[in-house]
Parts: sequence; structure tokens; C-alpha cells
Amino acid sequence: NAGVMQNPRHLVRRRGQEARLRCSPMKGHSHVYWYRQLPEEGLKFMVYLQKENIIDESGMPKERFSAEFPKEGPSILRIQQVVRGDSAAYFCASSPGGGGQGAYEQYFGPGTRLTVT
Amino acid sequence: KQEVTQIPAALSVPEGENLVLNCSFTDSAIYNLQWFRQDPGKGLTSLLLIQSSQREQTSGRLNASLDKSSGRSTLYIAASQPGDSATYLCAAKPLMDSSYKLIFGSGTRLLVRP
Repeated sequence: NAGVMQNPRHLVRRRGQEARLRCSPMKGHSHVYWYRQLPEEGLKFMVYLQKENIIDESGMPKERFSAEFPKEGPSILRIQQVVRGDSAAYFCASSPGGGGQGAYEQYFGPGTRLTVT
Repeated sequence: KQEVTQIPAALSVPEGENLVLNCSFTDSAIYNLQWFRQDPGKGLTSLLLIQSSQREQTSGRLNASLDKSSGRSTLYIAASQPGDSATYLCAAKPLMDSSYKLIFGSGTRLLVRP
């Protein structure tokens, strides 16, 4: 059973461009979380999605950032008109859901490191 | 609002020492507390997860304790090795939070000198 997959692992964008980060959850997992890690800091929650629904986006910046988790395919974190302050590592985690012990235990992907030049 | 703090921010010890990493959280209403390891430029590896009803968990040379009443958790590493050098993150999962998101501390960067 493959773990959480994220691609690309490294992404370089110029200021003003768009960044699209992809996350494929573990097989059988229907819940996805996105976190951002700025240099020398811990991870900060951004958004929690279930298939086709955004459940909690309290950590998402109000502008330029959006996330989706379609019925088919990976979850996408999209950053429009990137600025230098968006440079960070973006981690995705997935959990199985469905109730019971372990339903919300999160398994992390390797992250996407975004550099804005 | 839950806040998680880790002290010290960085730690350097000689090989073989036993050491303790500290994690504190402001709200004792947690679902669980989890310790992770992060190597430079890498993802997170889960080390130990302590449910709110538990007091400690052990895995090999690692032991994590949880004291909800004082809002503290410690990660004890016995007989440290250079391969233990990494950043250690603790994360609390708030109890009254329907999204079950994790609240992370800023981490302790550990260097074990040969």
C-alpha cells in the first residue's frame, strides 16, 4: 500500500505565476489535510477536505489560495499570483475517516517545496 | 485556542547521553498528542502517539509521556546516537474540533555529536 504521494517534490515559480500542488492520499483514505511549513517553523494547518467537500478552511489565506479534492483524482492546492512569502514546504496528510479508532490518524506525504523567485 | 510550544528550540549533546525534549500545550482538552521526526528537507515520520487516556508510550529507545493536567508532554531519548540528529515536532489534536486537525509546535532541532 503506497503512502501519501505528493508532486512535484520541488517547484520553482516566478512572482505572479500560479502554483499547483498535488496530493494523492493513501489507498482507501477519503480525508485530506494540507499544512504549510515556513523555514524554521512548525507546520500550520491550512485546510481539511473530504471527497468533493471543504470541511475546514480556517487556516487558508483569504486570497489567492484554493483547494479541492474531486471525486476522482488527487487533491489540488492552488496558489495564484505567487509572492516570495509563499515560499515554504507544503505537506499533505490523509486519514481513512469512517469512525472508529484510527479514523482520523494522519499519514503525511513527503511535501512539496515551493520556491518563488 | 490551542497553542503548542517546544523547548528548547535547539539542543546539542554528545553521543550516548540520555535527553528529554519538552512540549507544552495551553488547552488540556486534547484527543491525542503525537511526536514526529523530520529530517532536513524531508517529510514527517510519526514516532509515538499518546491517546488522551494514556500516560505514556514506548518504542525502542524512545519514551513519550503525557500529563494533560499540566499541559505537558516529554519525549525521552535513551543512549542518543548521531543518527538521532533531526528536528522533533510535537502536535496536539484538539478534542472539540470536528476537523481533527493537528496543532504543531515549532520543533526542537537535535544534534548528537559523535
